[in-house]
Amino acid sequence: GAGVSQSPSNKVTEKGKDVELRCDPISGHTALYWYRQRLGQGLEFLIYFQGNSAPDKSGLPSDRFSAERTGESVSTLTIQRTQQEDSAVYLCASSFRGQAANTEAFFGQGTRLTVV
Amino acid sequence: AQKITQTQPGMFVQEKEAVTLDCTYDTSDPSYGLFWYKQPSSGEMIFLIYQGSYDQQNATEGRYSLNFQKARKSANLVISASQLGDSAMYFCAMRGFNYGGSQGNLIFGKGTKLSVKP
Repeated sequence: GAGVSQSPSNKVTEKGKDVELRCDPISGHTALYWYRQRLGQGLEFLIYFQGNSAPDKSGLPSDRFSAERTGESVSTLTIQRTQQEDSAVYLCASSFRGQAANTEAFFGQGTRLTVV
Repeated sequence: AQKITQTQPGMFVQEKEAVTLDCTYDTSDPSYGLFWYKQPSSGEMIFLIYQGSYDQQNATEGRYSLNFQKARKSANLVISASQLGDSAMYFCAMRGFNYGGSQGNLIFGKGTKLSVKP
């Protein structure tokens, strides 16, 4: 597609269940980011995939959170044993990882996760 | 470690006036880029403007300009002739390049909520 696609757009889950969030980046974009945005708050970095290099996982808040990416394509963010504090919008972004810092990131519409 | 600070949680501006949104940053990377994004109530993230750390001139994009002061590590966004549609959250972001030439992460500040009054 033309833009970053995230699915589902909304997800309601019961506390303790596992959820998977999916991100399809723009074709050719080698860099992929996941962020968490709680209501009225800023973007909290979670994980950064940079081509074939090891991902930067420094933002993952606990071992319940994990993410994978196959090559330069789809990424999946998994939250195990969800807690109410995990309720937020999860944003995915992708950018072309060129030789300059000026490549802007394009964002998906986000997945709104509600844990009840 | 990189850090972005936006000290204004909320700002008000009268329609048609100019407004400056503050952003300061901290990084040890030898080169870096600074970005501003707009997030309206719909939630989408809209890229506004970019400034490179070695750019000689301040970036401009239509009504948006970036007041880049490298020595002070600030990259303030100036919106001229504010419009009602400018009411939104505004985020400052930074991406660095380390000495190995590897492109770094993209980190964001906490944002400023701008409200334009008619």
